[in-house]
Amino acid sequence: AAGVIQSPRHLIKEKRETATLKCYPIPRHDTVYWYQQGPGQDPQFLISFYEKMQSDKGSIPDRFSAQQFSDYHSELNMSSLELGDSALYFCASSLGRGGMETQYFGPGTRLLVL
Amino acid sequence: LAKTTQPISMDSYEGQEVNITCSHNNIATNDYITWYQQFPSQGPRFIIQGYKTKVTNEVASLFIPADRKSSTLSLPRVSLSDTAVYYCLVMNRDDKIIFGKGTRLHILP
Repeated sequence: AAGVIQSPRHLIKEKRETATLKCYPIPRHDTVYWYQQGPGQDPQFLISFYEKMQSDKGSIPDRFSAQQFSDYHSELNMSSLELGDSALYFCASSLGRGGMETQYFGPGTRLLVL
Repeated sequence: LAKTTQPISMDSYEGQEVNITCSHNNIATNDYITWYQQFPSQGPRFIIQGYKTKVTNEVASLFIPADRKSSTLSLPRVSLSDTAVYYCLVMNRDDKIIFGKGTRLHILP
């Protein structure tokens, strides 16, 4: 069965650079979620989209922005990168919004900021 | 969002049954209990979800007492590959997933 696809899988950037992470949800899934997981930390919810509209917002820094496109894929744009942004970034998708629908997570993008 | 409390870590041996208990004293009437499993450097994976009594699937069982203030994830006959972090989540239809401190389960040979 098709899973959530994230690209790139690994990314190395320098401080103050920008990065764009992409997420392709499971076909027919209309909701996308973004999470950040620092080394040794638990996943932290950043933001979610339902039917191309932002549906919820968590601890996403102002330097980050995201959107969901007409084909339901989503992009997380990160600017003025800081060392502390080094983390695993997970995207998850679900059919429908809200916490009850099972969220299926992608393999993650590992971002390293030097 | 109901707060959950679960053991920070647990050790067990291959072939044993492992039970991880989660406390959620402030669970609301419309809250469900969901467990996720996460292997190192991988995204969390849904294991099981329930509202009351007992739920069983091919991976685990979830026991929820009548007062719903706690729940127990039961993993039958664990293997080394069950070594992972297990997250207990309590949420309702309007909640995003908020991961708390999971339980780091270490299976020994």
